[in-house]
Amino acid sequence: GAVVSQHPSRVICKSGTSVKIECRSLDFQATTMFWYRQFPKQSLMLMATSNEGSKATYEQGVEKDKFLINHASLTLSTLTVTSAHPEDSSFYICSALKDTQYFGPGTRLTVL
Amino acid sequence: SQKIEQNSEALNIQEGKTATLTCNYTNYSPAYLQWYRQDPGRGPVFLLLIRENEKEKRKERLKVTFDTTLKQSLFHITASQPADSATYLCALDADSNYQLIWGAGTKLIIKP
Repeated sequence: GAVVSQHPSRVICKSGTSVKIECRSLDFQATTMFWYRQFPKQSLMLMATSNEGSKATYEQGVEKDKFLINHASLTLSTLTVTSAHPEDSSFYICSALKDTQYFGPGTRLTVL
Repeated sequence: SQKIEQNSEALNIQEGKTATLTCNYTNYSPAYLQWYRQDPGRGPVFLLLIRENEKEKRKERLKVTFDTTLKQSLFHITASQPADSATYLCALDADSNYQLIWGAGTKLIIKP
């Protein structure tokens, strides 16, 4: 199998606070994980590529100081949204690379 | 740059019929193309991958075709069931680092 989990599934926070989202590959090791965000009825937008033991590679227009990514082990990558604002409200999805990308169930972030 | 076009209008199909979804790309032919299923509020689930040298791939009631001349992939669900109702996403390799380029998806509704 290739199971990926995300935690939390939903989070509501106040503007200005930071939120951490965890992505875990449960039954395989993943050197590479990806972080996406998705707005309603839109396609997945790649935010960054996370490689175990090295710095993440961010897509153009994604602020690396705002979206902190840590991939400290072969089964865990974290995304921290720092100083969150209402415009950061979105559906955040991670994937872990095995033979293809296997996705987590997503995290719904709402910033008040 | 590479773009993927999927029909943005929902596709309504009667239960038992074959549903056919279209994915067109605009630029280079990808090394492979993938289809995913996404349910509301959930992450995408991998369904099928087809490589550029393959014309057709099957998995149970699913069939994918890949026509590099037409720059098109078709995704078929035979003997459709209401449980097949979901959004189906087409993705193709971005030619680097296992990244994927995503279509916006087509919502499929199977009516009993």
